[in-house]
Amino acid sequence: RKEVEQDPGPFNVPEGATVAFNCTYSNSASQSFFWYRQDCRKEPKLLMSVYSSGNEDGRFTAQLNRASQYISLLIRDSKLSDSATYLCVVRPSGVYGGSQGNLIFGKGTKLSVKP
Amino acid sequence: DVKVTQSSRYLVKRTGEKVFLECVQDMDHENMFWYRQDPGLGLRLIYFSYDVKMKEKGDIPEGYSVSREKKERFSLILESASTNQTSMYLCASSLYRTGGKENGYTFGSGTRLTVV
Repeated sequence: RKEVEQDPGPFNVPEGATVAFNCTYSNSASQSFFWYRQDCRKEPKLLMSVYSSGNEDGRFTAQLNRASQYISLLIRDSKLSDSATYLCVVRPSGVYGGSQGNLIFGKGTKLSVKP
Repeated sequence: DVKVTQSSRYLVKRTGEKVFLECVQDMDHENMFWYRQDPGLGLRLIYFSYDVKMKEKGDIPEGYSVSREKKERFSLILESASTNQTSMYLCASSLYRTGGKENGYTFGSGTRLTVV
């Protein structure tokens, strides 16, 4: 089983749609979780951290289900500018420093929002 | 804002050349990383460093080496460039977790290297 798995998409949605991305991770001891956004030919940028209680930032909601080892990202009222690849990212342990502390990146889910 | 600066945005090199990719961060981060990103393969870790003069191999170190002589600078070296090293190279840095907040990585804007 891959460490972090995502549906590669692409997800093609109309403006205003609600879209959900899902991600599963294999290491049950994983400690930290993130969603990154990557625009075409640009670097990944941190979109939001994911907390156990779930968290919201404007139109974006992230949720974590530790029992199922599952992370989600919901985008409401999608905009053309949301078109990008969304990367699910996990830190597999609570160790900071050393390879165990490195972030593990999913391959990303591509979103295309159409007018 | 943390800035991670990569020296070149686009680079074209010939097979067999020695190639240096430079990365500098300005926020006193301990940790620095080199990734390559290829379509369908995602980000793959080449080398990383947790301190000056310290380096560790990532998942795909073959054909690469690194240098970290100063905390702010992490260089990736392609000893003898080959066409299969044509890729987007991304440098990243991070701070150890402080105050209970996890900050993730900050990436440079990338170097698109073509080896001909």
